[in-house]
Amino acid sequence: LAKTTQPISMDSYEGQEVNITCSHNNIATNDYITWYQQFPSQGPRFIIQGYKTKVTNEVASLFIPADRKSSTLSLPRVSLSDTAVYYCLVGDGPGGYQKVTFGIGTKLQVIP
Amino acid sequence: GAGVSQSPSNKVTEKGKDVELRCDPISGHTALYWYRQSLGQGLEFLIYFQGNSAPDKSGLPSDRFSAERTGGSVSTLTIQRTQQEDSAVYLCASSTRPQLAPSSYNEQFFGPGTRLTVL
Repeated sequence: LAKTTQPISMDSYEGQEVNITCSHNNIATNDYITWYQQFPSQGPRFIIQGYKTKVTNEVASLFIPADRKSSTLSLPRVSLSDTAVYYCLVGDGPGGYQKVTFGIGTKLQVIP
Repeated sequence: GAGVSQSPSNKVTEKGKDVELRCDPISGHTALYWYRQSLGQGLEFLIYFQGNSAPDKSGLPSDRFSAERTGGSVSTLTIQRTQQEDSAVYLCASSTRPQLAPSSYNEQFFGPGTRLTVL
């Protein structure tokens, strides 16, 4: 399993852009990078997934450099409701199921 | 449509008792996962079911833990002779069958979890 490393916590003021970087030096060729968001007392929720370059959806953007050894989740203009734990995951390889590992994640605290 | 549901939402039990936790996945999802999340920790993989294949039980922490999935749908996680260290939130997730090529991560849809407290 490819291991991921991300900051344990981050603080941000409302309205700012937040960038959370995840390192995954041992990512395999076929692995995708996925981010989940977890609010207190809820299960994680899928945010965004990418393989390379840049992916954008209505919630966030995901930047992946050419070597794919890291990725950055970008949340534009955060609000208090974005306070949550954000998990970076890397796929388990080709085919089969994805026995991925959710680490501790990054706890984002948005400050008014 | 309905999401993943879990019951009960909260369970308080005494040390040594057995508990059963239930998960109803999204209809049509062939993959089902169980995770455990202790306070302030990440998710710990417990077990995985995919269709009629043998489940991956490699994450079960001890032989007190078992799970089954009847008819490829509902799943039950059973913890026998509960211990205080079993206290955690137990999360269930389901997903569609993975595509074989190219490899891609299949989004897991999580239930709200069952908070288990062992006194």
